[in-house]
Amino acid sequence: QSVLTQPPSASGTPGQRVTISCSGSSSNIGSNTVNWYQQLPGTAPKLLIYSNNQRPSGVPDRFSGSKSGTSASLAISGLQSEDEADYYCAAWDDSLNGLHVVFGGGTKLTVL
Amino acid sequence: EVQLVESGGGLVQPGRSLRLSCAASGFTFDDYAMHWVRQAPGKGLEWVSGISWNSGSIGYADSVKGRFTISRDNAKNSLYLQMNSLRAEDTALYYCAKDQGPTVTKRRAFDIWGQGTMVTVSS
Repeated sequence: QSVLTQPPSASGTPGQRVTISCSGSSSNIGSNTVNWYQQLPGTAPKLLIYSNNQRPSGVPDRFSGSKSGTSASLAISGLQSEDEADYYCAAWDDSLNGLHVVFGGGTKLTVL
Repeated sequence: EVQLVESGGGLVQPGRSLRLSCAASGFTFDDYAMHWVRQAPGKGLEWVSGISWNSGSIGYADSVKGRFTISRDNAKNSLYLQMNSLRAEDTALYYCAKDQGPTVTKRRAFDIWGQGTMVTVSS
């Protein structure tokens, strides 16, 4: 059971806009920024969005992130076949266990 | 080219030890915090441990606390993970990841990842 909650799957057709949600609590998303990682099949994760809504150099502006309270979301517009991947949200967590990072369980995006 | 290359994985019996290494190149290693993240077969990502640039701040996931030790050698541009008392549930692909900032307390993202080294714990 992951600390951050994501839907296990999402899908869309080419050109569509899809969103992936990520729900947490006051100790993680509520008090820290959210990062998103994309993992293409058989490859290492790649940073997609950091600090809630910032894109690293080279990430298309089709990808955007937002955060409100203890939830965050990733939006992908103009969906392309190469976007088919697993997407993970992550945040630092300040709990009694000390400072650590928590991930969502991941969302498998299928491009129909 | 910025690169992280993990090594040291393999098949190990429950209760035994293993030491993973991560060789960094293409960036100033001692300017950044570093992390280990693992992924069990067919499962999601799990943060294992993180260490600040000067080893001054270190954190562990509850699942490995007391069994795993993270360390770094800035002179060798290398990150390590000493894994003791290994269990079947430690079976995973272990990734080395670079932090965007110098310390884990800055709470930044992981912007560079290696390709991982597989650890299998089985008798």
